[in-house]
Amino acid sequence: SQKIEQNSEALNIQEGKTATLTCNYTNYSPAYLQWYRQDPGRGPVFLLLIRENEKEKRKERLKVTFDTTLKQSLFHITASQPADSATYLCALDVEDTNAGKSTFGDGTTLTVKP
Amino acid sequence: NAGVTQTPKFRILKIGQSMTLQCTQDMNHNYMYWYRQDPGMGLKLIYYSVGAGITDKGEVPNGYNVSRSTTEDFPLRLELAAPSQTSVYFCASRRRRGDSPLHFGNGTRLTVT
Repeated sequence: SQKIEQNSEALNIQEGKTATLTCNYTNYSPAYLQWYRQDPGRGPVFLLLIRENEKEKRKERLKVTFDTTLKQSLFHITASQPADSATYLCALDVEDTNAGKSTFGDGTTLTVKP
Repeated sequence: NAGVTQTPKFRILKIGQSMTLQCTQDMNHNYMYWYRQDPGMGLKLIYYSVGAGITDKGEVPNGYNVSRSTTEDFPLRLELAAPSQTSVYFCASRRRRGDSPLHFGNGTRLTVT
């Protein structure tokens, strides 16, 4: 069956370190993979999108990699700050006829300690 | 620029009651979606629409209905509410399928008792 797994429910790191979050999938062939940030009581907010033919994407302190052989995406936050504390969700889009449906992982809650 | 607006923010229903969750977007997006999020879980797709007049079921559609009479509005109807429908409901829209991001509202927190 199809499955998306994000590493451990919670990740705690020290301010200034690099946070690395993992998104693994099985029985999907995603054309696009997205990462979202969700704060308590709020809707998810889009961060980055990477295509299946792209290996890496960067935006400021954020970096996403996409390995279709390993069926894995890594999401890195460098020089992490307490303000980066949130839940991070990965989402897959399969290229289909018209629906544009995204399937989400359960999320990883990141806490950055000062 | 409001983006995606959901109302109400909170609601408590008794078992068997019905209600409509409202969702409006002002970005002229064709694609709209309803997700539910249970505590500590990801988002599960309930229904989606690829344009006015076109809707289809997602992963967990039982107990819900939708309509899409305009591009802007995509209401979600709960009939005969059950405790299993206690959740946070998010509406989202996107410009096109695939390589465009989802824009989410801030959710409706629903409790059925």
